[in-house]
Amino acid sequence: EVQLVQSGAEVKEPGESLKISCKGSGYSFNNYWIGWVRQMPGKGLDWMGIIHPDDSDTRYSPSFRGQVTISADKSSTTAYLQWRSLRASDTAIYYCARGGNPTVIFDYWGQGTLVTVSS
Amino acid sequence: DIQMTQSPSSLSASVGDRVTITCRASQGITNSLAWYQQKPGKVPKLLLYAASGLEGGVPSRFSGSGSGTDFTLTISSLQPEDFATYYCQQYYSIPHTFGPGTKVAIK
Repeated sequence: EVQLVQSGAEVKEPGESLKISCKGSGYSFNNYWIGWVRQMPGKGLDWMGIIHPDDSDTRYSPSFRGQVTISADKSSTTAYLQWRSLRASDTAIYYCARGGNPTVIFDYWGQGTLVTVSS
Repeated sequence: DIQMTQSPSSLSASVGDRVTITCRASQGITNSLAWYQQKPGKVPKLLLYAASGLEGGVPSRFSGSGSGTDFTLTISSLQPEDFATYYCQQYYSIPHTFGPGTKVAIK
């Protein structure tokens, strides 16, 4: 069974750093893209970027490039989303999702990680 | 970036109604379009890919059509479990933008 299990909810203050995770299991982790999607409170879905764990090929949305870092560790079949300095506007649910190759359609999703940034 | 628009932004319908949602891309995307369903507090779920391909396990009352810039999602006979928000997404070019969503509510 394909599963993507994300790390738990986080409460941070502005300016703090954060790294959330997404562990894949039940499939060949190296052969599929992993994507990250943001959903701000009461809003729609924002495509942030994708990574191919096999070679760490990473593609970012221009809206998120420089704001976050996407990475992956093949050995632990885990993908990560990282911030160096959080802002209140980063408050959102962040989903990871598995994407096919070459068509990166998100067929399996993690349960989401709620990130709250507040002073 | 390719911009995706959806219409309507929301609609009210009754069980058994036929519902059609439209998605438009700001430039041609061939058939590189997916549809997702998201219920309140839940994770998005893939319904269709390649504009008209039904994902496994998705009821056949869901169908999609279109190519180029204009696409539709149709629910042939709305069921109680179909009340949700529906998003289109293009995967033709990065970033793979989502539409703003269409909320389907109970009339």
